[in-house]
Amino acid sequence: SQTIHQWPATLVQPVGSPLSLECTVEGTSNPNLYWYRQAAGRGLQLLFYSVGIGQISSEVPQNLSASRPQDRQFILSSKKLLLSDSGFYLCAWSVGDSYGYTFGSGTRLTVV
Amino acid sequence: GQQVMQIPQYQHVQEGEDFTTYCNSSTTLSNIQWYKQRPGGHPVFLIQLVKSGEVKKQKRLTFQFGEAKKNSSLHITATQTTDVGTYFCAVLQGGKLIFGQGTELSVKP
Repeated sequence: SQTIHQWPATLVQPVGSPLSLECTVEGTSNPNLYWYRQAAGRGLQLLFYSVGIGQISSEVPQNLSASRPQDRQFILSSKKLLLSDSGFYLCAWSVGDSYGYTFGSGTRLTVV
Repeated sequence: GQQVMQIPQYQHVQEGEDFTTYCNSSTTLSNIQWYKQRPGGHPVFLIQLVKSGEVKKQKRLTFQFGEAKKNSSLHITATQTTDVGTYFCAVLQGGKLIFGQGTELSVKP
């Protein structure tokens, strides 16, 4: 069966520090991968999506970046975090348009 | 791009009462999905609707897609405390899933 792993679960980082969040998917090949961010009490904002290795599309210009070094690995990074980067970061995968997205358990990032 | 407006933003009900959340679009939607996010958790896919006027049921949950495919609703009959959470509608746009703002449901026992 397919599973998605996302870590860490919580993270507290100082302003200006780097960030690396990792997401891996098991049990499927060539999935579409997504990074979403959810601010407290608000909806989900799509940050990046990828349809294949090395293929990244950015939805929102900001100081975050994403990479897909392997088929089932998706990484969200920042060189210097801002206070506004705080939020709940969710990785998700899908295969085709006929099925729903499967989300990871998320990372709660607090920038202090 | 397509956007969906979801109402209400919050709904507080007594256990046993019904609950409905609505999703509206100004443009025709190819499909609509519904997700549930428990407090502190991640969104979980509930269902996808694709046909005009489609109605699907999952136990006490009834999902409906409007005849014009511009609106959708999720209705919960006789809410239970386990129904607590935020319910999101979402639409596929260019292979990407765009979410509504969600309706947060609280249930008083």
